[in-house]
Order: sequence, then C-alpha cells, then structure tokens
Amino acid sequence: EVQLVESGGGLVKPGGSLRLSCAASGFTFSTYNLNWVRQAPGKGLEWVSSISSTSTYIYYADSVKGRFTISRDDAKNSLYLQMNNLRAEDTAVYYCTRDPKLWGQGTLVTVSS
Amino acid sequence: IQMTQSPSTLSASVGDRVTVTCRASQSISRWLAWYQQKPGKAPKLLIYETSRLESGVPSRFSGSGSGTEFTLTVSSLQPDDVATYYCQQHNSYSPYTFGQGTKLEIK
Repeated sequence: EVQLVESGGGLVKPGGSLRLSCAASGFTFSTYNLNWVRQAPGKGLEWVSSISSTSTYIYYADSVKGRFTISRDDAKNSLYLQMNNLRAEDTAVYYCTRDPKLWGQGTLVTVSS
Repeated sequence: IQMTQSPSTLSASVGDRVTVTCRASQSISRWLAWYQQKPGKAPKLLIYETSRLESGVPSRFSGSGSGTEFTLTVSSLQPDDVATYYCQQHNSYSPYTFGQGTKLEIK
C-alpha cells in the first residue's frame, strides 16, 4: 500500500526540541521530492519545508528558517524534521506529503509550558 | 511564490454554481491543486494540475486556469460541500505554498 506515516509528535516546552519522522511505503521513495506541511489549530495550511529527491534542494518557510532542519534517509525510506527552539506558534498538526496525491495522517505537536 | 485566494468566505444556496479564485504571484504553469478540508479531517485532494479530477471526486467539481489565475467551480452546490477549500501550487521546483483558504457555507 502506498502510504506515509508520521510519528514523533507530542508535548514539548517552549525552547525545546522534537524530531518528527515520516515512514514511506509502497513507492520508490528515493525518486520523489518530499515536504512537510502544518496546520495550527483553527488556521490554514502552511507549507513548512521541502527536500528534493537527491537532497540537493532544500527550502524552508521563513517562519521556521534557522530552527527546523529537513532531512531524508533513502535507505530507510524515511523523511525527518528536526525542530529546535520551538515556540508556542509552532503548535500544529504536521503532515508529511509527497505530492498532492499523497499525504500522511499527521502528527500533533504541542508547544506549551 | 505567493498564493492569494478569494473570497475568504462564501455563502451560497444548494444548487448554486460557486467559484473560488486563486492567484499566483508568478506563473506556475498548470501546477495548481485544490483541496477540500472538513473540520477535524486531513485535507482531501479534489483537483491537481489545474483541471485533473482526483479519482472518486464528484464531477460537479472542476478546475480551470493557467499561469497565474485559477478557478475552482462547483457546478451545483450540495450540503456535503460545506468545507474550507485551499489552493496549492505544486511545481516540483518550488515550495508547495498554499492559499489562505475559502470557507464555503450554505445559506
């Protein structure tokens, strides 16, 4: 089955760190660009970061630049998002996406003291 | 690339033809997708590459446009269509930015 499954969300204090993972299956992971998208409670969808198939091109939203790092491990068919110096405004459901047709179910990150 | 949707809220009657517009700050060719999102649910893909209907999506949904201006049309609004709709540019060589969303309500 073609799917993406996120994990690693949870409750973290402001200034803390968290690493999200996205496990892929059912397709040739190494040939696809991948993305993280988030949605804060009651807010719209926000693109967070993208990584190209060869990791040559990496992009970040201004809101997370310098704090978040996207990476991938093609041997493990996995995508990651290392989130440092977390803020309350980073509270959101984080989705891993391949393209418009394939999204994960999301993982909730809550930043609160 | 910035994506601007209008209107932010739309109220219409069952059976009405409804149109949502999405404008890109620069040309994105045909790389535009539309999603429907209901409360508490993940976004559902409706249309990709401007006008390609995702499998299983009712034919009352359609998309058109090119370059910088795109539209999502619902030909005959149904109660189940109450949701928030988002456009997204999905050019592989650019970040996948979203519009701010259009909340569709029934009068």
